[in-house]
Amino acid sequence: QVQLQESGPGLVKPSQTLSLTCTVSGGSISSGGYYWTWLRQHPGKGLEWIGYIYYSGSTYYNPSLKSRVTISVDTSKTEFSLRLTSVTAADTAVYYCARDLGSPYFGMDVWGQGTTVTVSS
Amino acid sequence: EIVLTQSPGTLSLSPGERATLSCRASQSVSSTYLAWYQQKPGQPPSLLIYGASSRATGIPDRFSGSGSGTDFTLTISRLEPEDFAVYYCQHYGSSLWTFGQGTKVEVK
Repeated sequence: QVQLQESGPGLVKPSQTLSLTCTVSGGSISSGGYYWTWLRQHPGKGLEWIGYIYYSGSTYYNPSLKSRVTISVDTSKTEFSLRLTSVTAADTAVYYCARDLGSPYFGMDVWGQGTTVTVSS
Repeated sequence: EIVLTQSPGTLSLSPGERATLSCRASQSVSSTYLAWYQQKPGQPPSLLIYGASSRATGIPDRFSGSGSGTDFTLTISRLEPEDFAVYYCQHYGSSLWTFGQGTKVEVK
């Protein structure tokens, strides 16, 4: 059974880069067919999709964040990562990694527990 | 970009009652790409429905999804105590995922 676990600093200073890693256990990123995804949830708010990476390395990002986001994958380590540059207080949120079923049906069937990131000096 | 609008914002019901949640898209979408999630406080969302009407693994049959075009519905036939939570609809299209703002189902 595939499980995901986010890790990374819980506190980031304004203007710095937020870096998070999602470790995949019980399965392989390289098995194909899935979209490995990052999302976030601002305090008391709804869900925002950040972007995804396919096992081949192709990526797609939310246009509202595209200029600041990079998602990468390390298949040998079964992990994928998120980098978000030039953070501000508006980036304070719970960050989730998830696995999306991909074509033909889309839906995120496995989620990490989430990690809280606060942007503050 | 497609906007998903969920209604009502809050639904106050008693255990055993039927819950009907609505998700309306700003333009017609493929039902193949419409999903529903449940989120309880302090937990990540969990997938309930994909393809508008297919239950995810392990989801009880009191949960059902329906709809097409711009109007989609999540129905909980008889509310169990563990069903009181926030529900989100989600759409995938043009390589983008968008979410509705959520409906909270609370105990009346």
